[in-house]
Amino acid sequence: AQSVTQLDSQVPVFEEAPVELRCNYSSSVSVYLFWYVQYPNQGLQLLLKYLSGSTLVKGINGFEAEFNKSQTSFHLRKPSVHISDTAEYFCAVSRRTDSWGKLQFGAGTQVVVTP
Amino acid sequence: KAGVTQTPRYLIKTRGQQVTLSCSPISGHRSVSWYQQTPGQGLQFLFEYFSETQRNKGNFPGRFSGRQFSNSRSEMNVSTLELGDSALYLCASSLAPTGGGELFFGEGSRLTVL
Repeated sequence: AQSVTQLDSQVPVFEEAPVELRCNYSSSVSVYLFWYVQYPNQGLQLLLKYLSGSTLVKGINGFEAEFNKSQTSFHLRKPSVHISDTAEYFCAVSRRTDSWGKLQFGAGTQVVVTP
Repeated sequence: KAGVTQTPRYLIKTRGQQVTLSCSPISGHRSVSWYQQTPGQGLQFLFEYFSETQRNKGNFPGRFSGRQFSNSRSEMNVSTLELGDSALYLCASSLAPTGGGELFFGEGSRLTVL
């Protein structure tokens, strides 16, 4: 079985400041890792994913994440946030042996960007 | 290109009733997954369909069922509704269930059970 822990339920941040959202996972098998964003009253949108290869993954809207196998972490970062980044962010994993549609999500981190 | 379309967007039911939610995937996508989102339990996987076959099922009671049609459209049904079934139900589609594809989510169907 696997689990996903997002260490912060809410992260307040000022506009143009950096932000880091933390995600730890546990799994007895190899996994793929994802970050999704959900804007108010919308579905989820993929920010980035780690399948294999380079541990630093770049995604859309200036986000990046680093896979750390030894610490079983996949933290998301953005060097300078905008008001429009206010949203809920979800870390997710899927087992490499599972089909693509079966994701296990963390509880989410609400990011609130203020001027 | 049209995105994933879910209908209805909002609905209110009473306990004991049943409900059917519909999902039209992106054109060409053959894999459809369903998720339940609640404030208490977060996002939970319900089931996944590919080529009209259920490939995976989450840990939900038998009251939750689904199907996929030959045009890849999918429906999910919840029978004998309970208050705890109030949730946002999200559908996601992808080209195929394997191979590194991205999941594309619809805006969801918000179900309120009174």
